[in-house]
Amino acid sequence: EAGVVQSPRYKIIEKKQPVAFWCNPISGHNTLYWYRQNLGQGPELLIRYENEEAVDDSQLPKDRFSAERLKGVDSTLKIQPAELGDSAVYLCASSSRAEGSYNEQFFGPGTRLTVL
Amino acid sequence: SQQGEEDPQALSIQEGENATMNCSYKTSINNLQWYRQNSGRGLVHLILIRSNEREKHSGRLRVTLDTSKKSSSLLITASRAADTASYFCVTTDSWGKLQFGAGTQVVVTP
Repeated sequence: EAGVVQSPRYKIIEKKQPVAFWCNPISGHNTLYWYRQNLGQGPELLIRYENEEAVDDSQLPKDRFSAERLKGVDSTLKIQPAELGDSAVYLCASSSRAEGSYNEQFFGPGTRLTVL
Repeated sequence: SQQGEEDPQALSIQEGENATMNCSYKTSINNLQWYRQNSGRGLVHLILIRSNEREKHSGRLRVTLDTSKKSSSLLITASRAADTASYFCVTTDSWGKLQFGAGTQVVVTP
């Protein structure tokens, strides 16, 4: 079974440029997450989707970040314009609906963004 | 802000030795998980312990949970070079939201 796919794996851009990351979750997983991981830190949730609905975007900086999950499958995370402080690894994860509050999340390899 | 705090921040041991790392968290949880992250396999779920459990084993892993002290520990026995990674304590709240700690970097030398 294929895991979570992300592209690109690496991206280097100059500040003020736009950038987009793409994620394809595990087939059948209705929940999709975007995380940001700064160097030396654990991942922090940016947004969570249940199918095509964003159910938790409280940590998404909405002035420059946007995300979409059309048709409830693939997702795109965009930053426009990028700032130096956006340099980080952007991780996508997915999980299937399960009873109770536990549903194991499967992570993609991430996109390492460097803003110069 | 991050919920869990791992201790130590870094740990260096030799193959065959045991590695122990601790985690403290702040708010009530439904369960606690440990994840491992290395360059080869990315971020991978290791083990979950529910709030009503005190100890759990999985292969060479042993996890404890003390909800009264809001703390957990992860023990890796008979460590191998392949265990070199960062280990994260991850709490889940009643909404299913995961919160990661900053992690413990473990280096296992042959």
